[in-house]
Amino acid sequence: EVQLVESGGGLVQPGGSLRLSCEAFGFTFSTYWMTWVRQAPGKGLEWVANIKQDGGEKYYEDSVKGRFTISRDNTKNSLYLQLDSLRAEDTAVYYCARAGLWFGEPIFYWGQGTLVTVSS
Amino acid sequence: DTQLTQSPSILSASIGDRVSITCRASQSISRWLAWYQQKPGKAPELLIYRASILESGVPSNFSGSGSGTEFTLAISSLQPDDFATYYCQQYDSFPWTFGQGTKVEIK
Repeated sequence: EVQLVESGGGLVQPGGSLRLSCEAFGFTFSTYWMTWVRQAPGKGLEWVANIKQDGGEKYYEDSVKGRFTISRDNTKNSLYLQLDSLRAEDTAVYYCARAGLWFGEPIFYWGQGTLVTVSS
Repeated sequence: DTQLTQSPSILSASIGDRVSITCRASQSISRWLAWYQQKPGKAPELLIYRASILESGVPSNFSGSGSGTEFTLAISSLQPDDFATYYCQQYDSFPWTFGQGTKVEIK
């Protein structure tokens, strides 16, 4: 059974940093594209970033470019999102998600999400 | 960037109704479109991908159609478990984008 377990969310002040982690179970982590998607309270879904199997390709939503960094450690079956220079508008539930084996496949599995609150 | 516009934003319907949701793309995305269902407090779940392929385990009363810039999610006979919010998403190119969502509520 595929499981994605996020951690690392919490309350942080504007301008601060946070590192989200996602541990994957039930599939061969190193063979899949991985994704972060966020959802602000009461709002819709917003794609944040994708990373290829070997970490060699990374893509970001414009508003997070230069502030967020997606990475992965295939030896630990783990995905990460480093959040720097946080703003109030980054407040959201952040979902770790598994895409497909190939570029051009959607999100097949989602974690339960971890809440990031940016507030003073 | 490819913008996705869903309509309607809210859909009021009764058990047993046939309903449909439209997703329009600002440029052609071929058939690289997915539909997700999300219930309050839960993560989204994949329903349909490549515009019309039903994900394993998804009830057959869901169907998807369309290509290019216009897509439709149809629910042939609404069940109590189907009241939720539905999102379309394009994965034709980065940045991936989602529609703003359609809430299906009980009439």
